[in-house]
Amino acid sequence: DAGITQSPRYKITETGRQVTLMCHQTWSHSYMFWYRQDLGHGLRLIYYSAAADITDKGEVPDGYVVSRSKTENFPLTLESATRSQTSVYFCASRPGTGSLDTIYFGEGSWLTVV
Amino acid sequence: GQQVMQIPQYQHVQEGEDFTTYCNSSTTLSNIQWYKQRPGGHPVFLIQLVKSGEVKKQKRLTFQFGEAKKNSSLHITATQTTDVGTYFCAGRGSNQFYFGTGTSLTVIP
Repeated sequence: DAGITQSPRYKITETGRQVTLMCHQTWSHSYMFWYRQDLGHGLRLIYYSAAADITDKGEVPDGYVVSRSKTENFPLTLESATRSQTSVYFCASRPGTGSLDTIYFGEGSWLTVV
Repeated sequence: GQQVMQIPQYQHVQEGEDFTTYCNSSTTLSNIQWYKQRPGGHPVFLIQLVKSGEVKKQKRLTFQFGEAKKNSSLHITATQTTDVGTYFCAGRGSNQFYFGTGTSLTVIP
């Protein structure tokens, strides 16, 4: 089921460079999320979006920028990558408010900042 | 702010032994979800609990939501090697889900 896809899956970049991670979902889900996963920290929310043109900060937003001009896309940009941003990034989506609001995750993007 | 703590962080069990992971929130949750992430994979939804004191079962997995809706547990009976992975709880607060730190389960054959 490729309802939510991330690209690139693997990326190595240098400190100070700008990097954009792409996320695309085909379900027309209202909510989209970006999480980072680091050992010992679990999944931490970076940014989320409740609908097109609406974005909000999560737990760890510093150093990241998001946009959501279309419902299906939610790119995450690291404006000036730092080594501390080396992580696995997961994009996710869910339908919206409801009795069962399952979060669906993408395959993940492994980012290494050298 | 919202915090969801999960213990233990790691658990090694012999195949056939039971396993339990616990999730605790600093605030009352409207519901709680559990996810499983296989090594190298992405989190996959297992179940959602909504009611105070709710207990749900999926084969060898038993999920429980505390009476105060601040804690939850996942119990696996007679673990198998296919149970290997990291189990996350995700508590819904006022607006969003907050994930626990996860429990990494290793099953020794």
